[in-house]
Amino acid sequence: SQKIEQNSEALNIQEGKTATLTCNYTNYSPAYLQWYRQDPGRGPVFLLLIRENEKEKRKERLKVTFDTTLKQSLFHITASQPADSATYLCALAYGGATNKLIFGTGTLLAVQP
Amino acid sequence: NAGVTQTPKFRILKIGQSMTLQCTQDMNHNYMYWYRQDPGMGLKLIYYSVGAGITDKGEVPNGYNVSRSTTEDFPLRLELAAPSQTSVYFCASSYPRDRVGEQYFGPGTRLTVT
Repeated sequence: SQKIEQNSEALNIQEGKTATLTCNYTNYSPAYLQWYRQDPGRGPVFLLLIRENEKEKRKERLKVTFDTTLKQSLFHITASQPADSATYLCALAYGGATNKLIFGTGTLLAVQP
Repeated sequence: NAGVTQTPKFRILKIGQSMTLQCTQDMNHNYMYWYRQDPGMGLKLIYYSVGAGITDKGEVPNGYNVSRSTTEDFPLRLELAAPSQTSVYFCASSYPRDRVGEQYFGPGTRLTVT
């Protein structure tokens, strides 16, 4: 069965530094991968999507890479701010036309001022 | 646009009771999904729908039922609630283009079964 792993431990970094979150998967070859942000007591919010034929995607201070050989995606937040503190979820697409996603357990990021 | 709305926000049920979690979206999205999220676990897909009148099981459908009579609404029915159904439930919708699309989530319903 498909398995997705994200850093289970919280990631603590200083304001202004770059945060790097990891998503590893096994037994699967997704057509694309998505990253979501989830704040406490709220639903996930979509951030970025990267397709299997794309190596890198950027949006403002966010950058995602996708290595289908390593079966890994990295999510970077540059010049991090305390407002970036949240849980970040990795999700892989499966099921073709149904657009179904399988989610990782998420990584809690805490940015210290 | 309100996006995806869910009611109620919180609910406590006794074992064996039934209830319906409501989900409505105003974005005219064809695809809708129900997930549950347990502490420390990822979102698990319960049921999904690719259009009005079409529903299918996800990863964890046991104990739940859904219907999709309109594009906007996708209610989730719990029959004979059990403590194992204590969780936070999220509804989501999407409009894939070329089989690719982000999902828009509602604020969630926190359900406790005692």
